[in-house]
Amino acid sequence: GAVVSQHPSWVICKSGTSVKIECRSLDFQATTMFWYRQFPKQSLMLMATSNEGSKATYEQGVEKDKFLINHASLTLSTLTVTSAHPEDSSFYICSAPAQGGAYEQYFGPGTRLTVT
Amino acid sequence: GQNIDQPTEMTATEGAIVQINCTYQTSGFNGLFWYQQHAGEAPTFLSYNVLDGLEEKGRFSSFLSRSKGYSYLLLKELQMKDSASYLCAVYPPAGNNRKLIWGLGTSLAVNP
Repeated sequence: GAVVSQHPSWVICKSGTSVKIECRSLDFQATTMFWYRQFPKQSLMLMATSNEGSKATYEQGVEKDKFLINHASLTLSTLTVTSAHPEDSSFYICSAPAQGGAYEQYFGPGTRLTVT
Repeated sequence: GQNIDQPTEMTATEGAIVQINCTYQTSGFNGLFWYQQHAGEAPTFLSYNVLDGLEEKGRFSSFLSRSKGYSYLLLKELQMKDSASYLCAVYPPAGNNRKLIWGLGTSLAVNP
């Protein structure tokens, strides 16, 4: 199956700083990518849909100015958590839908963010 | 509205069979996924059902009834490594940007 990578796999940052997380489709092109957040022992929560060449679509309640998404190429989407606070500490996961007629979504391995 | 229901937690014994149910009410339907997620890891694909019936894949099988808005994941010969969260997700019709609608997941604990 297709491979989606994320970088970094974990990051610790200080409160007030910004952190950028990269999501790459390694062997296929992804015009759309999805960003999720998951708190411990909770389900996936979709944050936004990243669209190549256009603005991201954010889910209700997600601050677009705090979670900046850029989808500059067909293989790369980035999520920047700006002015991070301890409550932003979470597991961030990206996914990309399969190409052609397949409906599967391929997930990146996730990024564990800890804000101190 | 969009709604997917799964049991929150289940417990089973190693070697046994467990069935995890999922009911859904969505505006449109274009398939249902089951994903497995171990703690601290990303979800991994288990199955995709778009037609009614049972799909068997090794120890795991998935069933779908579109008329009842119902699916189940059947795990046979349970192993300790099957302890994980199992997520049910529905795929709305095309045009929704391929955004899945997720259930809250069922945490399965397999005991020796």
